[in-house]
This record gives sequence, C-alpha cells and structure tokens, in this order.
Amino acid sequence: DQQVKQNSPSLSVQEGRISILNCDYTNSMFDYFLWYKKYPAEGPTFLISISSIKDKNEDGRFTVFLNKSAKHLSLHIVPSQPGDSAVYFCAASPRRYSTLTFGKGTMLLVSP
Amino acid sequence: GAGVSQSPSNKVTEKGKDVELRCDPISGHTALYWYRQSLGQGLEFLIYFQGNSAPDKSGLPSDRFSAERTGGSVSTLTIQRTQQEDSAVYLCASSPPPGTSHYEQYFGPGTRLTVT
Repeated sequence: DQQVKQNSPSLSVQEGRISILNCDYTNSMFDYFLWYKKYPAEGPTFLISISSIKDKNEDGRFTVFLNKSAKHLSLHIVPSQPGDSAVYFCAASPRRYSTLTFGKGTMLLVSP
Repeated sequence: GAGVSQSPSNKVTEKGKDVELRCDPISGHTALYWYRQSLGQGLEFLIYFQGNSAPDKSGLPSDRFSAERTGGSVSTLTIQRTQQEDSAVYLCASSPPPGTSHYEQYFGPGTRLTVT
C-alpha cells in the first residue's frame, strides 16, 4: 500500500525547458512534503519543502506546488540544466520532526 | 561542516552472517533515522531516534534487525543472520533539534549491503 506515489519512473527534458515532476499521496494526515534529489552512489540531498498551510514555495529555479484537496504536489524546475539530471524523490510526513514516507522516485534526464 | 558519514560504504557478506553498519550524524543533530532502499524502490523507514526518547522501531522488518545509538551520537544498525532479501542500500539521516526552523533530514552516502 503505497502512500506516496510518483507515477512517472522517468522524464526527459531539453536544457532550458521546464521540468515538472509529479507526486500523489493518499494519507490525509500528511502535512509536510519534501523533495530530495539523488545522484548515483550518493545519499539524497534536500531540495525544497512545503507545509500544508501553503500552496506554493519557491527557491531559485525550483518551485513546489501543493494541491491538498487533490492530494497532489509537483516540483517545477525552470530552466532545466544538464546538472539537474538525477533521481527525484517526493517525501511526506504528518509532522515537522518525523519519519518520512518516500515515493519510488522519478529519474530526470536533461539533455543539452 | 561535516555531513552525515556512514561506514562501510560497501559490504558483501554471506547469508547467515551478522553485519554492523555505522552512522555518524551531523554534530548537534538530535534526531537520527535509518532507511533502506532496495532495488527499484523508494526509501523505506526502519528506525528513528530522537534525543533520549525511546526509539521508534516500527519500521524494522524483523527481529533480526536492531539498532542502538550511543551517547546521543553514533548509531549502529545490526542485522543478524542476514538473508538475500536484506541486500539493499542502507541510508542514515539526521535532523536538527525540534524548535529550529529547519526540519529536513540530511542523508549520508549509504552502505550498499550485498548478501550472497
């Protein structure tokens, strides 16, 4: 029973265009959502987060949108760069200081 | 500053042997988490330590798995009588104390465990 779902295993985008990574969740108790980026043979690196009191959070080229009624969030990367090529994990938790439930990840490939 | 470190980076063991995986969290971080990532899967929570509180062991898949955290810092994850399905990357993470503005978890590079 997957509580956090990333339905696209992979995504290919050209450099300079927008990348949109999607995530759906089923547990209505989740209130905090995080995106992590992972390169091969490295641990995940925190990218951006959002709490349920907001519907948007922006940090440089990265913006996360949350639609709580649809239990859906998305990560937008604009403009995409080849260095963004990595696996992106969506994660959720019911509280700020709590264990995370992860999706299976989406592999993003940004081509020059 | 130093990040989360884990050792060993790779471990190959024979089925039935015991293994110990080590995690050094970021200095000052009171919370420590263990996760594992099996091939093609997301990260799966195993165990969570927060300060001096009793650990949350709800993610441990069997009683062959145990973990301890000494002195509120270093943690060791022990897997007894390893099975082939234990093969995975074991990831450790730490996070700042409650009350700080940042609650994200910082991950180490992981230990790749292969059980033959």
